[in-house]
Amino acid sequence: AQSVSQHNHHVILSEAASLELGCNYSYGGTVNLFWYVQYPGQHLQLLLKYFSGDPLVKGIKGFEAEFIKSKFSFNLRKPSVQWSDTAEYFCAVSSGNTPLVFGKGTRLSVIA
Amino acid sequence: GAVVSQHPSRVICKSGTSVKIECRSLDFQATTMFWYRQFPKKSLMLMATSNEGSKATYEQGVEKDKFLINHASLTLSTLTVTSAHPEDSSFYICSADAGGSYNEQFFGPGTRLTVL
Repeated sequence: AQSVSQHNHHVILSEAASLELGCNYSYGGTVNLFWYVQYPGQHLQLLLKYFSGDPLVKGIKGFEAEFIKSKFSFNLRKPSVQWSDTAEYFCAVSSGNTPLVFGKGTRLSVIA
Repeated sequence: GAVVSQHPSRVICKSGTSVKIECRSLDFQATTMFWYRQFPKKSLMLMATSNEGSKATYEQGVEKDKFLINHASLTLSTLTVTSAHPEDSSFYICSADAGGSYNEQFFGPGTRLTVL
């Protein structure tokens, strides 16, 4: 069965710091990759997704992620975080006709 | 983007009662909907996949007689927690896939269930 690992449970950053959240998955075939964000009190929203093509994917709010097939990774990055980026971030993977498998999430706290 | 709603957003019930949660796709037809359960500080756990007009597919360990799922139309799926107990208290989230394949899903805002 597929699994998704998010290495950091809780990340605390100061405003303007750079962010990188790790995500690794276990499936060896063709995958679809997603990052979702859940702001406090709100529902899950799609940040970005990768299906094929350019492995560097640009998402909303200045986020990007890079698919590195050889490392089974899809890390999320942002050059300069803001207080409003405080949220829970989930990496998710699907392949073929399988449902999404989510990582356990990383809580990001951005302090002024 | 596509919008998915859930009702109610919050429900408190007594132990032994049943609770129905609705999930609606507001501006698209969803042949497939998914029900998740989110535990505090933990990831979303897929409970079942609901296909319009057919029986839901439950994940291992999820009691189908406990969590009844009905996907009666292309815009509505319901989850009924039967004979709820305090351990059923959780955050239940639905999502919908407009294309019927397991790709991008649109999530509802979730329902907080508290069983006393």
